[in-house]
Amino acid sequence: SAVISQKPSRDICQRGTSLTIQCQVDSQVTMMFWYRQQPGQSLTLIATANQGSEATYESGFVIDKFPISRPNLTFSTLTVSNMSPEDSSIYLCSVVSGYSGNTIYFGEGSWLTVV
Amino acid sequence: ELKVEQNPLFLSMQEGKNYTIYCNYSTTSDRLYWYRQDPGKSLESLFVLLSNGAVKQEGRLMASLDTKARLSTLHITAAVHDLSATYFCAVKSSGDKLTFGTGTRLAVRP
Repeated sequence: SAVISQKPSRDICQRGTSLTIQCQVDSQVTMMFWYRQQPGQSLTLIATANQGSEATYESGFVIDKFPISRPNLTFSTLTVSNMSPEDSSIYLCSVVSGYSGNTIYFGEGSWLTVV
Repeated sequence: ELKVEQNPLFLSMQEGKNYTIYCNYSTTSDRLYWYRQDPGKSLESLFVLLSNGAVKQEGRLMASLDTKARLSTLHITAAVHDLSATYFCAVKSSGDKLTFGTGTRLAVRP
C-alpha cells in the first residue's frame, strides 16, 4: 500500500489569498491526482498531476485557479489561488498503487475554510 | 461522459438488518471501487472489482459487479453501529481517473 501525507491538514484562509497544499507519497508512483470534496458532496477530480509536464485539468477547473506542480514521482503540490468562500472544501491527493496498479489510495485530505 | 448514480442517498438501518446499496454507471469500465468515509476523515478503500461477476467480501460487507448491466451492489449483512459512515462507489475511466457516485450516508440505529 501507499502512505500519503498531506499538508496542511486544516487551515482557515482569508478571502483573496492563496494556499499551497503538499502531497508526499512514500514510494514512487506514476499517477497522482487531486480531488475536491465540497461540504456534504461527493468527490470531483480537479486534475491529473503529470511528472515533468503540465497537469491535465478536468472540465470546470483551470490552471490559473489551481496551479499544480509535480517535480518528481513522490511529490506534488496544489495551489488554490485567490480563494473565495466557495473554495471551502476538502482537497485530496490520490495515487495509483499496488502490485497490479489496481488500488487507488487517498491522502488524509486538506480541509480548507475560506472566510 | 461517464455518470455514476448511487442510491439510496441516505439509509437508516436497524442493527441486525440487511440492506443493499446500488451503483449504476453509464459507460463501460473495467474497474469499480467502493470506499468508506467517516465524518471528518478521508476515504478508506473497501473493494476493487475488476471483472464481470466479481464478488468480494469483507466482514459484513459484500460487493459485486455486473459489467453488462453496469451495476455494482454493496450488501450489508446484519448491520452494526460501527458500519455507520458514508459509502461511495467510484468508476474508473481513462488514465485511472475516478468518477464518484453521490454517496450513501448510512446510519445504523439500535
